[in-house]
Amino acid sequence: QVQLQESGPGLVKPSETLSLTCSVSGGSISSYYWSWIRQPPGKGLEWIGYISYSGSTNYNPSLKSRVTISVDTSKNQFSLKLSSVTAADTAVYYCARVSYYGSGVYYYYYMDVWGKGTTVTVSS
Amino acid sequence: DIQMTQSPPSLSASVGDRVTITCRASQSISSYLNWYQQKPGKAPKLLIYAASSLQSGVPSRFGGSGSGTDFTLTISSLQPEDFATYYCQQSYNTLTFGGGTKVEIK
Repeated sequence: QVQLQESGPGLVKPSETLSLTCSVSGGSISSYYWSWIRQPPGKGLEWIGYISYSGSTNYNPSLKSRVTISVDTSKNQFSLKLSSVTAADTAVYYCARVSYYGSGVYYYYYMDVWGKGTTVTVSS
Repeated sequence: DIQMTQSPPSLSASVGDRVTITCRASQSISSYLNWYQQKPGKAPKLLIYAASSLQSGVPSRFGGSGSGTDFTLTISSLQPEDFATYYCQQSYNTLTFGGGTKVEIK
């Protein structure tokens, strides 16, 4: 079955750019959307954004100015870049597959496969 | 932005209890509502999508209902493995999670 694995630096300095990659195995990256979600220590889940296999994106408005999500179908991977990080960006970062169904403009989206998560700490 | 409010933030229950968690949207979201379960140190797991559709492999004691602004996740008979935090999430307009409900052992 499909598995997702996050990778990237566990420590990022303030004001720098956080970069993470999610590798998809056991299935193709095509025909789905792919998402990033984060969870600060002891807090709830925050959706960051998602990308389609064709490259169209949708971002959380509160993070939009700092976020870039990209996809590399040849490597079956998608990536997250979050710029100008501060201590508030310290969190466990998850990648997830977004499945969908519907027709016309009415589609149901839900995250049905998740990676195990990777901890990113922002500190000098 | 659509805000999702869960209640209660936490609850204590015993094995075998019927448990109900509520999620309210700040505006109508039709049935664009999903529920997830998260255990400590683990990734969330999808339980219910489109308000009432049970994800494959999820036990039938989990059920979802509601539409518009008010939604409910019900666990008909709480099992030891159900002690966890539960999140609702809307997909009507971008994606937003509720604050979570922690289900603890009484």
